[in-house]
Amino acid sequence: NAGVMQNPRHLVRRRGQEARLRCSPMKGHSHVYWYRQLPEEGLKFMVYLQKENIIDESGMPKERFSAEFPKEGPSILRIQQVVRGDSAAYFCASSPQEGGVEQYFGPGTRLTVT
Amino acid sequence: QKEVEQNSGPLSVPEGAIASLNCTYSDRGSQSFFWYRQYSGKSPELIMFIYSNGDKEDGRFTAQLNKASQYVSLLIRDSQPSDSATYLCAVHGSSNTGKLIFGQGTTLQVKP
Repeated sequence: NAGVMQNPRHLVRRRGQEARLRCSPMKGHSHVYWYRQLPEEGLKFMVYLQKENIIDESGMPKERFSAEFPKEGPSILRIQQVVRGDSAAYFCASSPQEGGVEQYFGPGTRLTVT
Repeated sequence: QKEVEQNSGPLSVPEGAIASLNCTYSDRGSQSFFWYRQYSGKSPELIMFIYSNGDKEDGRFTAQLNKASQYVSLLIRDSQPSDSATYLCAVHGSSNTGKLIFGQGTTLQVKP
C-alpha cells in the first residue's frame, strides 16, 4: 500500500517565482490536509480539501496561497510570488473519512526561497 | 494561552527507563487526540490515538486521556535510543472541520 506521496521533495525558488507542491493521498483516502512547519516552529494547519471542494481554509495566508484538489489528479498547493518567509517544510496528510480522524502524513516538500 | 501546550524539553532518560510526555489543551470540546513522532528532517508519523478517557496501550506505548483535566500523556516503556525524536501532541478540536492543532513538540533523548 503506497502511502501519501508528495513531490517534489525539495524545491528551490527565487523570490518572486511560483511554487507548486503536489500531494497524492493514500489509496482509499479522499480527504487532504496541508500543514506548514516553519524552522523551529510547530506544525500549522493551512487547508482541508475534499475532491473539488475546499472545506476549511482558515489557516491559509490571505494572499499568494491557493490550493485545489481536482476530480482527477493530485492536490496542488500553489504559492505565487514567493518570499523568503515562505521557506518551510510543507506537509500533506490524508484521512479516509470526514473529520480528520487519523491523518497520515507524506514525506513533505522542503521549500527554500533564495 | 496556547491551544495545545507541551514542554519543549529536551527530556532525557536512560535506556530502558519509562519516558513520560505530557500535553494539555484548551478546547474543552476536543474529541480526538493523537501522538506523532517526528525524527529530525522527517515527516510526522502517527504512533497513537485516543478518543476516550483512560488508558490505551499499544506495545511499548501507552496513551492516557483525562478530559476533565484537559490532559493527555504518552508513556514509552523500555525506552530505546531509537525512540529519540520529537513527539508532537495533536488535538482534533470541537470545530469539526478536520484540522489538527499541534503542540510545539517535546524532544526526547534516550541515552545508552
